[in-house]
Amino acid sequence: GAGVSQTPSNKVTEKGKYVELRCDPISGHTALYWYRQSLGQGPEFLIYFQGTGAADDSGLPNDRFFAVRPEGSVSTLKIQRTERGDSAVYLCASSLTVGLPNNEQFFGPGTRLTVL
Amino acid sequence: ILNVEQSPQSLHVQEGDSTNFTCSFPSSNFYALHWYRWETAKSPEALFVMTLNGDEKKKGRISATLNTKEGYSYLYIKGSQPEDSATYLCAPQNAGNNRKLIWGLGTSLAVNP
Repeated sequence: GAGVSQTPSNKVTEKGKYVELRCDPISGHTALYWYRQSLGQGPEFLIYFQGTGAADDSGLPNDRFFAVRPEGSVSTLKIQRTERGDSAVYLCASSLTVGLPNNEQFFGPGTRLTVL
Repeated sequence: ILNVEQSPQSLHVQEGDSTNFTCSFPSSNFYALHWYRWETAKSPEALFVMTLNGDEKKKGRISATLNTKEGYSYLYIKGSQPEDSATYLCAPQNAGNNRKLIWGLGTSLAVNP
C-alpha cells in the first residue's frame, strides 16, 4: 500500500472486553512501532518490532497489553480486560529499518479506542 | 534520554508572523533528533532528522537547528500561514540498543488569517 494503514479507525468497547488493533505497515519496512497518545500527552512508546521479533516491549504498561507480528508485516496490538484508562489514540508507525538516524517513521492514521 | 521539554506549549500568531519553538533534551547519550508535524485528524508527518551538532535543515519556510552539546533544537517558521496550524513534536533518539524515540508534548501552533 501507499502508506501505513490501521484498522479500525474507531473502536468503542466496554470495560473488561478484549480488543485487537491492526497495523499494516509500508511494504518492505522491517521496523514497526506502536505508540499511544492520551489526551493532552505526547505519543508514548509501547513496543517496536524488527522483523517478527519484539525488539523492545518496555513501553507496554502491563501484561494486559500484547502485540504480535508473526510474518514480519502486519502487526496486531491486543488489549485484554480493557479499562477506561486505556482510552487513547493508538498509533502505528513503520520505518525501513531501525537504528539508523535518518530512518524517519511513517505513521498511520491511528485507532481511537474508547473504553466505556 | 528522560526529559524532553518543548516550549511554548501553545502559540497563537497572525498570518505572516515568523515564529520559533524550542525543544530541550538531555545531551548525554544523544543519537538523533526528529521533528514531526501533526495536524488534527491526520498522521504525524516527519519534518527533519538531525544528528550532528550545528546541523541546520530547511524545508520551504520551515527550518531547524541542533545543538547537541547543550541539548536543544529550534524550529523556525518564516511567514506563518493558516495551513501551518498543527502540533509540532520533537523526539530525540537515544544511542542505546533500542534507538527509540522519546517524544515531547509538542507545541500547538494556531495561525490566524
